[in-house]
Amino acid sequence: SQQGEEDPQALSIQEGENATMNCSYKTSINNLQWYRQNSGRGLVHLILIRSNEREKHSGRLRVTLDTSKKSSSLLITASRAADTASYFCATGTQGGSEKLVFGKGTKLTVNP
Amino acid sequence: EAEVAQSPRYKITEKSQAVAFWCDPISGHATLYWYRQILGQGPELLVQFQDESVVDDSQLPKDRFSAERLKGVDSTLKIQPAELGDSAMYLCASSPRRLPYGYTFGSGTRLTVV
Repeated sequence: SQQGEEDPQALSIQEGENATMNCSYKTSINNLQWYRQNSGRGLVHLILIRSNEREKHSGRLRVTLDTSKKSSSLLITASRAADTASYFCATGTQGGSEKLVFGKGTKLTVNP
Repeated sequence: EAEVAQSPRYKITEKSQAVAFWCDPISGHATLYWYRQILGQGPELLVQFQDESVVDDSQLPKDRFSAERLKGVDSTLKIQPAELGDSAMYLCASSPRRLPYGYTFGSGTRLTVV
């Protein structure tokens, strides 16, 4: 079963613009992660934000987490054609074994 | 940079045949995961290992799927017999023990059942 729900399902922008993707989830978490997947390849870890954090930055990436709304957003600033990929949020559950549950992803296209 | 190795990269098999996938995680990563990703969807966990022990296989179709991680290093996922609905990308990932870390994924095995 999938917990995270990304929005939008697909996003097309021009190079240089910012891209924002949202993720909503249902149950309590202890961390939320974002991954990128180029077509036909494995997933690449981008950033992890813990449940007691509200915002995190990594290069051109900015992630926010609102646990009261059970939602997160990923902002990619000054997008490049190489950012074209699918982006997935994944939630880590509280307690027990640490495993990630992935959403269905947002397909981002950055046009040159 | 350390990688998770998976083989084969692509596999075409006939319905009812047996198929196996191999994964070698990053050295020292105690936790290993097998995920299945159907085209256009997110990965779904099949099985999680901590060292050589299965921690979670609640989503593994045990009538046809099996997984092992002998000696707590590399792992094999087997399907027997394969069905048309098993066509998907099979992804292996590993992470360090205990703490919430990002996973390192392999490139996956694309399985097509005909």
